[in-house]
Amino acid sequence: AQSVTQPDIHITVSEGASLELRCNYSYGATPYLFWYVQSPGQGLQLLLKYFSGDTLVQGIKGFEAEFKRSQSSFNLRKPSVHWSDAAEYFCAVGGGGSYIPTFGRGTSLIVHP
Amino acid sequence: DGGITQSPKYLFRKEGQNVTLSCEQNLNHDAMYWYRQDPGQGLRLIYYSQIVNDFQKGDIAEGYSVSREKKESFPLTVTSAQKNPTAFYLCASSIALGSEQYFGPGTRLTVT
Repeated sequence: AQSVTQPDIHITVSEGASLELRCNYSYGATPYLFWYVQSPGQGLQLLLKYFSGDTLVQGIKGFEAEFKRSQSSFNLRKPSVHWSDAAEYFCAVGGGGSYIPTFGRGTSLIVHP
Repeated sequence: DGGITQSPKYLFRKEGQNVTLSCEQNLNHDAMYWYRQDPGQGLRLIYYSQIVNDFQKGDIAEGYSVSREKKESFPLTVTSAQKNPTAFYLCASSIALGSEQYFGPGTRLTVT
């Protein structure tokens, strides 16, 4: 069965600093990988996705993620964090066909001014 | 604008009552999903539907029921059998199972 681990429950960064949120997955074949962001009391918004091809994926709001098959990882990065990036971030893994994405437990990002 | 709507935003019910949460999408997506979100537990899948008139149980279906009579609509009923129904409920849709999902704004249900 597929699974996702987001090892960091909370991450605190200063505004303007770089960010990396970790995601490790378990999946038997080539995975479909996603990062979503959720503001308090809101639904989730897709930041970026990986299905195949270039392992460095660009998303919205200046985020990027890199798929590393050897490490079973899909870490999310941003070079300079803005206060508006404070939110909950979810990594998800799915697959081609009928595999419904499995979500990690989320990482809460706190941004200090 | 295309998207997913959930209503109402907040819902209050007395224990022992059934309650139905609405989810509508105009994205022409075949697949729809219901998730429950509790603090620190991420998203847990309640039910999903791949196509009209078909739906499958997710990981925590006990105490919930759904219907999928129209492509655009996937209502969720929280029955009195659900032991701990107070939670934030999210509806989502996707072109097909496994592809990226689009989420509604959520309904916060409080049962007292």
